[in-house]
Parts: sequence; structure tokens; C-alpha cells
Amino acid sequence: DGGITQSPKYLFRKEGQNVTLSCEQNLNHDAMYWYRQDPGQGLRLIYYSQIVNDFQKGDIAEGYSVSREKKESFPLTVTSAQKNPTAFYLCASSISGGSFYEQYFGPGTRLTVT
Amino acid sequence: GENVEQHPSTLSVQEGDSAVIKCTYSDSASNYFPWYKQELGKRPQLIIDIRSNVGEKKDQRIAVTLNKTAKHFSLHITETQPEDSAVYFCAASDEWGGSQGNLIFGKGTKLSVKP
Repeated sequence: DGGITQSPKYLFRKEGQNVTLSCEQNLNHDAMYWYRQDPGQGLRLIYYSQIVNDFQKGDIAEGYSVSREKKESFPLTVTSAQKNPTAFYLCASSISGGSFYEQYFGPGTRLTVT
Repeated sequence: GENVEQHPSTLSVQEGDSAVIKCTYSDSASNYFPWYKQELGKRPQLIIDIRSNVGEKKDQRIAVTLNKTAKHFSLHITETQPEDSAVYFCAASDEWGGSQGNLIFGKGTKLSVKP
């Protein structure tokens, strides 16, 4: 393990609060991704970034925001506008954008909002 | 956009038997099909992938087959072992299309290998 890290492993928040999930990689990868994993739902793409200072919405971007100020970092903010924020969040990176490159996943953050 | 269906959602086999997981996709332009394995409490990891110019690919006990006409692809695991127990995800992507090459994942198959 190593190369791409997420913190914290578990996160608890009250409804109505924004929360930021950390994702860091030292693989010198250009592309980074955020996925949401719900039981029986597979992995759904929230946001992705193919290069520093640029990012694009994925399939379920509503209620989320990201930034990509550094190549190594791609934090995800879950805002109070996200209706069902409780989920397991996975960050991934690949050497370059585009699907032909293997995506390396972080260990994930389990967010619980009550 | 692309839609990926994966079956079955759960699969239980005896150690030593074979396991087959099937996926179908909707976008005929899709041309890359990876499979990821996620062990309990761990991160997903790529185990094998196939591109549309190939019909079959093998790596030891794992093989993937692709039928572009029927738009389906399958993962085959032979001589299953308890350490094969995990959730397996298929995915599909169109490298050149409007999705900009992002992966669309199936919902996963939980494979249990009984000793």
C-alpha cells in the first residue's frame, strides 16, 4: 500500500455541515478521481481532474465540490446540499487522463452524516 | 451515455471450481474493459483488462472474453481459491467519446469461495 492516501478513514458529521475529504498521491500522476461507493451500487464518478487547476463533473457531482491546486492533492468537499452524503468515498489516480490507464485507488473514507 | 449491467450480484462456489461473472454494456463505441477486485475492507485493484481489438486475454487463472457484437464481456476464474473471495467490478469506457474516457462501473459481484 502507499502511493495514494486518504484521510481520515472514518468521518462523522452533523447534517448541515460541510466536510472536506483529503486525497494525496506521490505517484506523480496527472489524473485524479473521486468515486462514491454505496452498497449494491458499484462505483460512481463524482469529479475528475486530468491536470492541475482543471477538473470536470462526473455523473453525480451535485452537492460536491473539488479543487486541484497541486498535482499531489485533490480534496473533495461534501456540502450541505448533498442529500444523501453518508457513503464510502474512494479517491483514485492514474498516470494520465483517459480510461486506458490503470487507476490506483486510495483506502477510502467512510463518511457518516447524522 | 454508457450503462454497464453486471451479473450475478452474488456467487458462491466450492474451492477448485470455476467462476464466471458477466457484464453487458450499452455503448457500442466502448473499447476498453477492465476488471477490478476489492477484498473486504481494502481498495479496488485492477486484475485484468481487455481492449476491443482482442477477443480474449488470460493471466494465469484469470481470463476475460469480449464479444463486441453482443456487447458483453466476462471474467473467468479457474481453480478458485479462498483468497479469490472478494467483490469484482467490471467497467467499460469509450476513450474518444463525450464521456472523455471515464470508466462506468457495474454494480459488483460478491464472490465467495468455500473451502
